[in-house]
Amino acid sequence: GENVEQHPSTLSVQEGDSAVIKCTYSDSASNYFPWYKQELGKGPQLIIDIRSNVGEKKDQRIAVTLNKTAKHFSLHITETQPEDSAVYFCAPLASTSKLTFGTGTRLQVTL
Amino acid sequence: DVKVTQSSRYLVKRTGEKVFLECVQDMDHENMFWYRQDPGLGLRLIYFSYDVKMKEKGDIPEGYSVSREKKERFSLILESASTNQTSMYLCASNWGAHEKLFFGSGTQLSVL
Repeated sequence: GENVEQHPSTLSVQEGDSAVIKCTYSDSASNYFPWYKQELGKGPQLIIDIRSNVGEKKDQRIAVTLNKTAKHFSLHITETQPEDSAVYFCAPLASTSKLTFGTGTRLQVTL
Repeated sequence: DVKVTQSSRYLVKRTGEKVFLECVQDMDHENMFWYRQDPGLGLRLIYFSYDVKMKEKGDIPEGYSVSREKKERFSLILESASTNQTSMYLCASNWGAHEKLFFGSGTQLSVL
């Protein structure tokens, strides 16, 4: 199965700074790369995803970049705000319907 | 908006009890999933189903079973609950393999 590693496990940034979370995966057949955000007391929610035919995708303050050669993709959050504080999960997908989630990154945005 | 509803937010059970966790989705999704979430371990897939009466084992199926008699409902069953099954359980659904997953709010199960 897919081996997924996510770094860092915790990240603390000041409001307004940028945050970057990296996800590495093992299965070269992976072709779908989503990021989920989980706020306290809620289930995870998709915030951005990318497919293997593009290298970068941006949606306002968040972006995802993909390096298929090196088998990693990253979540970038610019101009962080307190409401960005949450746990973020990557979940690269290869051929089946079964996502393998990373172990999560707890992002804390401090004032 | 798609809604995935889990029957209980908090549940406390005794060791050896049979436990049912229910999940209902309202968007006619083909696929449904059960995950458990533990600190430092992320989300781990227990079972999933891609059609009514169909089920597939995930990464940690031991001690669990599932039932999908209707498309909208996916039940997770702990035949004989044990303390190591104390965890947050999350149900999710989607239309297909490379599609957005919609999660319920989770059930925090404590087995005493």
